[in-house]
Amino acid sequence: GQNIDQPTEMTATEGAIVQINCTYQTSGFNGLFWYQQHAGEAPTFLSYNVLDGLEEKGRFSSFLSRSKGYSYLLLKELQMKDSASYLCASRGGATNKLIFGTGTLLAVQP
Amino acid sequence: KAGVTQTPRYLIKTRGQQVTLSCSPISGHRSVSWYQQTPGQGLQFLFEYFSETQRNKGNFPGRFSGRQFSNSRSEMNVSTLELGDSALYLCASSLKPEQPQHFGDGTRLSIL
Repeated sequence: GQNIDQPTEMTATEGAIVQINCTYQTSGFNGLFWYQQHAGEAPTFLSYNVLDGLEEKGRFSSFLSRSKGYSYLLLKELQMKDSASYLCASRGGATNKLIFGTGTLLAVQP
Repeated sequence: KAGVTQTPRYLIKTRGQQVTLSCSPISGHRSVSWYQQTPGQGLQFLFEYFSETQRNKGNFPGRFSGRQFSNSRSEMNVSTLELGDSALYLCASSLKPEQPQHFGDGTRLSIL
């Protein structure tokens, strides 16, 4: 089976750094994805990890530890426009499905 | 490059009716997935298609069905609509199933 846990809400200050954690239990693990979703909009792809380590993309980085079933999304130099829901998703299981967590709602304050 | 296109954007139906939603993937993408999103449940997986074959199905009743055509376009059908089917239905496409998915803007379905 597959199960994903991430915090429901987080608050951070403009200009700061925030780390959003995600733990997963996925047999036959085949990749961890992060998406950003602004209110009333569709999710947009942020990053993808299939091997252990850190992937950096500008202000956004994502880390994966397959042995620990753990990933995090790191957002640097936070901007007000980063206020959104961040969705963690893992692919795997007997049928290689992509399953999403319920998302972490990030509020960036001035 | 055009993104994923979903039609219609908004739909209002009554209980007992049926509905068909359409999704045109990004050009060259052969994998299409469908999700239902509601405030309480988040993104729930419905179906995944690749090269006209359904590869995966989520835990939804048989009233929910779908298909993919030879040009990779996909349709989703919901019959005997219930109030609880009110949701945002999202389609996502990727080159192959294991690759990152790119979402359309969704169809917001309201059941009266």
